[in-house]
Amino acid sequence: DAGVIQSPRHEVTEMGQEVTLRCKPISGHNSLFWYRQTMMRGLELLIYFNNNVPIDDSGMPEDRFSAKMPNASFSTLKIQPSEPRDSAVYFCASSPGTSVYEQYFGPGTRLTVT
Amino acid sequence: RKEVEQDPGPFNVPEGATVAFNCTYSNSASQSFFWYRQDCRKEPKLLMSVYSSGNEDGRFTAQLNRASQYISLLIRDSKLSDSATYLCVVHGSGYALNFGKGTSLLVTP
Repeated sequence: DAGVIQSPRHEVTEMGQEVTLRCKPISGHNSLFWYRQTMMRGLELLIYFNNNVPIDDSGMPEDRFSAKMPNASFSTLKIQPSEPRDSAVYFCASSPGTSVYEQYFGPGTRLTVT
Repeated sequence: RKEVEQDPGPFNVPEGATVAFNCTYSNSASQSFFWYRQDCRKEPKLLMSVYSSGNEDGRFTAQLNRASQYISLLIRDSKLSDSATYLCVVHGSGYALNFGKGTSLLVTP
């Protein structure tokens, strides 16, 4: 079975450029989560969707970050413009059902902004 | 104060040793608790859920103390393959989970 798929796996970009991260959740899962992980702050929840609807985006750092989920099998996280402090590993996770279940993480996108 | 706090370690233990990690959480209303494991440069994966009565999975035992708001993970007979970062996880609001920053374990031969 395919797990959560993320692309790209690595992204190196220059400050000011737009970055788009992509995620395909596990088929049949209702909830999708975007996280950011750094050494200093650990794993932080940025936003999550339930049935394609954004439920809580209070973790999104600022207006430079936006996320969409146009259908049940695809989500994007966009940073525009990117800054060096955005460098981190970005994980997408999905979970089944409508209550708190195990979250299945994708392999992550390692973003470096120079 | 962070919602979930853990000792970052690292814990360096020899093979066969028993090691225990604790974490504390701030939201007394939290109902669900988990331990996740994260290998170096990999994604987190669920290790086990933590039940009120405590639960065991092979060499791993998880305990919950609601009164003191802490969760523990005990690993017996440590293996080299147990080397990883262990993340304490507490249910937040809605469907969100709050992750601790993790405790690093290194098991040495």
